[in-house]
Amino acid sequence: TQLLEQSPQFLSIQEGENLTVYCNSSSVFSSLQWYRQEPGEGPVLLVTVVTGGEVKKLKRLTFQFGDARKDSSLHITAAQPGDTGLYLCAGSHPSGTYKYIFGTGTRLKVLA
Amino acid sequence: SQTIHQWPATLVQPVGSPLSLECTVEGTSNPNLYWYRQAAGRGLQLLFYSVGIGQISSEVPQNLSASRPQDRQFILSSKKLLLSDSGFYLCAWSEQGTGELFFGEGSRLTVL
Repeated sequence: TQLLEQSPQFLSIQEGENLTVYCNSSSVFSSLQWYRQEPGEGPVLLVTVVTGGEVKKLKRLTFQFGDARKDSSLHITAAQPGDTGLYLCAGSHPSGTYKYIFGTGTRLKVLA
Repeated sequence: SQTIHQWPATLVQPVGSPLSLECTVEGTSNPNLYWYRQAAGRGLQLLFYSVGIGQISSEVPQNLSASRPQDRQFILSSKKLLLSDSGFYLCAWSEQGTGELFFGEGSRLTVL
């Protein structure tokens, strides 16, 4: 059983469209991170959310941490082909501070 | 600045052969170190993590092992590879107390 479930698993959209990716859990996390990964490379950190209800913006990307710190969302406005990649949420497993686990991943493809 | 390197980048090994993947971090001291494995297009599975020299936590019982002979060196090994060991292996580090992981370039292992 995955502790962090992401949806959707796959997403193919046209350039200019908006989208939202979800990361859900039944457990409380002290913080959650979002990463983007391109084929053949390691994931790259986009943002960390720490406080319940927190909203962070990174250009066209908006990240939100749920009030109960069990879920998070990533919203992309006016998607561009450069946004294509695998988006991963991650957090410290409730059983261990340094045990960082990852979500199931959302593969995004933005068509020009 | 901190850097992380892992090697080899690609390897093809026969079933039953040994494995050694190496990872080193520069520009920091006493990092937390991690080995993850990733199936194609999916999330990352935590294999091992270490909070100090000689301290290894194993997350998945299998024929792989990890060692940390020096503060900034992390090694993933196997005495006899299985077909199911094929995958993309990622080494990562984080500073103590943070949830932000920085990944190496990855090692793609194919077991035939």
